[in-house]
Formats: sequence, structure tokens, C-alpha cells
Amino acid sequence: EADIYQTPRYLVIGTGKKITLECSQTMGHDKMYWYQQDPGMELHLIHYSYGVNSTEKGDLSSESTVSRIRTEHFPLTLESARPSHTSQYLCASSEYGPEAFFGQGTRLTVV
Amino acid sequence: AQSVTQLDSQVPVFEEAPVELRCNYSSSVSVYLFWYVQYPNQGLQLLLKYLSGSTLVESINGFEAEFNKSQTSFHLRKPSVHISDTAEYFCAVSAYSGGGADGLTFGKGTHLIIQP
Repeated sequence: EADIYQTPRYLVIGTGKKITLECSQTMGHDKMYWYQQDPGMELHLIHYSYGVNSTEKGDLSSESTVSRIRTEHFPLTLESARPSHTSQYLCASSEYGPEAFFGQGTRLTVV
Repeated sequence: AQSVTQLDSQVPVFEEAPVELRCNYSSSVSVYLFWYVQYPNQGLQLLLKYLSGSTLVESINGFEAEFNKSQTSFHLRKPSVHISDTAEYFCAVSAYSGGGADGLTFGKGTHLIIQP
């Protein structure tokens, strides 16, 4: 069973607030990913990392930023949340192959 | 770049009936293929994958999918569904880049609705 954890699971926050979504994995995987999933729609890759100090933007443009200071930790930050950021955010990791393991997701609502 | 098309956004079937969820992909390079399942308010769980070898792959809970290179398809099938199979099913591809994947490209998902 994959060990990848996201906190919080649900977050309701006011416009303009800074938020950080946490993602941690205990599998020692080098590759980590953030996907955004809007209701009833497919997932889009917004950030990925190949390892410590490596971060890349994904296919979907996002105002969020990420950091990778430790192998196991890949947090996502929004400096100033807006209602358009309301979505589900899914973190994933993979080892050498393409198979990705997903966390439970964080459902963000910006009011 | 790759793209994935799931032809049905919703598939209602009766319990114990067979089901097929369709998935077609487009890519200029070789790809790996996946089916993920998402239960309500949950993350994605890998259902099955095609990396190489036999084109028919099976999951532990009775699902199977067949990779058809000529038709660029990877349809998911189950001969007899159960009420617990109600979920969202996502088809995904990843380009073979030698050293690993640069993320997955997903279809829009198919909502499988099992009717008693």
C-alpha cells in the first residue's frame, strides 16, 4: 500500500489568505507531482519534481508555487487565495517507472 | 504530447451485468497505459496498468483491459459488476521517456453507476 499523505483533507479559507497544502511520502520516491482536479473534470498536472531542489511547471498554468527541500516533502503554496483556486488538489509520487501513487487529496474552497 | 479520450462521461449498468468503459489515446511516441479508480471524496487508486508484454492485463477485483495498438485503445471491462464498483474511472497515459515519466495525461473520467 502506498504511503503518501496530504493535509488538510478539506480547507475553507477567505480570499487573500496565504495557504500551504502539505504532501509527504514515506516511500523514498524521487519524483513527485501535483494535479488539479475541478469538479467533474479530468486531472491536470500543475507541478512536478524529479528530486531535491528540482521543480518544474506542468501542463496547466497555475498561480501556485512548490518547493522540494526534502525528498519526502512537496508542499504547494498559494500566496493569495482567490475563488478561482477552488478545486481539489492531488499529490502523487513515483519511483523509477511511470506508475504514480496518489494521496487522498485536499479539497480547497476559497470564499 | 499525448491526449486521452474517454468516450462516455457516464455509464449506468445493472448489478451483475457486464460493462465496458472505453478509452482511446493519441501519442506520437510509445506510451504506458493506466486505469485509475476514484471513490467519492478519495484520491486515485491504480486499478491496472500496461507497461509491456501481454496486451491483456487484469486487476485483483475482476477488471481487465486490453491494449490495442492499431486502434490506440485501452478499454476497461468487467464481466459482472457489483454495487461497490460505483466510482469514477480515469484512463491515463504516460510517454515513455527512457528514464521515467513526466507525469500522467488523464481522460475526463467515466462515472460508472451501478443500479440494483
